[in-house]
Amino acid sequence: GEDVEQSLFLSVREGDSSVINCTYTDSSSTYLYWYKQEPGAGLQLLTYIFSNMDMKQDQRLTVLLNKKDKHLSLRIADTQTGDSAIYFCAETPSLSGNTGKLIFGQGTTLQVKP
Amino acid sequence: DGGITQSPKYLFRKEGQNVTLSCEQNLNHDAMYWYRQDPGQGLRLIYYSQIVNDFQKGDIAEGYSVSREKKESFPLTVTSAQKNPTAFYLCASSIEGNEQFFGPGTRLTVL
Repeated sequence: GEDVEQSLFLSVREGDSSVINCTYTDSSSTYLYWYKQEPGAGLQLLTYIFSNMDMKQDQRLTVLLNKKDKHLSLRIADTQTGDSAIYFCAETPSLSGNTGKLIFGQGTTLQVKP
Repeated sequence: DGGITQSPKYLFRKEGQNVTLSCEQNLNHDAMYWYRQDPGQGLRLIYYSQIVNDFQKGDIAEGYSVSREKKESFPLTVTSAQKNPTAFYLCASSIEGNEQFFGPGTRLTVL
């Protein structure tokens, strides 16, 4: 079945770049998403990439997609303490049709040290 | 302002009680979803609805029920049959097939 895997924890210093990685199993996924969750809050959509793209940049965020290896990454440049949160990778599995169902990874907790 | 609201923010339930979590959206989205989040885990889909008066079970529907009588509303009832209901519950909505927008969540605790 479909599966999305992420490492659970990443710690960086303020000002450094953060790279959060995600692997998925469904090679026919159409969209892949990155969501951010701050403590006690809902999920906020950060960015997404369509499966026929290999890179997308949006201000400090860069998404890289390697379809051959089924690997997705989110790079945050000049990481700030306000970036501390849990980051979720999610895919739209091919078997979901147009239901909009998403498969989420376990989430990566990003800790930014001053 | 358009968005999704969930209420209450915190909810306490005694064992054996049913409780209902509210989710309302004014985004005119057709599809709505309920997820459960446990510490260290991703989101697991409970139920989803693509259109009024229709809904489907997700991956962990046992012990839960939903209704979709209005486009704007998708309440979730946690029944006494759900043996481990303590969790953070998230509601989302989307235009069919596109990115999901999430509410702020309800934290349910069983006393």
